[in-house]
Amino acid sequence: NAGVTQTPKFQVLKTGQSMTLQCAQDMNHNSMYWYRQDPGMGLRLIYYSASEGTTDKGEVPNGYNVSRLNKREFSLRLESAAPSQTSVYFCASSEDGGPGGDTQYFGPGTRLTVL
Amino acid sequence: AQSVTQLGSHVSVSEGALVLLRCNYSSSVPPYLFWYVQYPNQGLQLLLKYTSAATLVKGINGFEAEFKKSETSFHLTKPSAHMSDAAEYFCASGSARQLTFGSGTQLTVLP
Repeated sequence: NAGVTQTPKFQVLKTGQSMTLQCAQDMNHNSMYWYRQDPGMGLRLIYYSASEGTTDKGEVPNGYNVSRLNKREFSLRLESAAPSQTSVYFCASSEDGGPGGDTQYFGPGTRLTVL
Repeated sequence: AQSVTQLGSHVSVSEGALVLLRCNYSSSVPPYLFWYVQYPNQGLQLLLKYTSAATLVKGINGFEAEFKKSETSFHLTKPSAHMSDAAEYFCASGSARQLTFGSGTQLTVLP
């Protein structure tokens, strides 16, 4: 099993450009999440999907959109990138029911720089 | 809203010494509590998880954590540090719909 995979691993964008971060999991998990990690701030939840067909905002959703394409895939889109979105982005998945009690499994991350 | 406080953004210990990483949570009810580890340029991996079954939780790689409700703490310990323990450690608190991470503690192990 590959677990949680993310593409790309690195990306440099110019202000105003758009891009989509891809995430896939092969563990048949129901819930998937997108986080951003900034120095000294831990991980902050951007969006999550408790089950296929549903998405909900997390702590820092502004400037992002998500799509739960199917049970395996959950993408994160930046429509008009800003320097404040320079960060490391992690996708995660868990077996069931929302982000609170389940163990989450993380992908390797995407390092995004917006110039 | 929940919050998680990790005391000490950087901790250094000598190889073979006790590792103690501190975590305090704020919650009106006992939450789910987690410790995750992040090695350089990797994602987070679960070390251990508290689910109210036992106050002392044993995890992987010799780590354990003790839930103390009266102190709202969930400190992570390991009796003897190994060089391979050098990493960043995150405490997290979960309720039904939200997982809140602390800001992380970078552990350095000195030879």
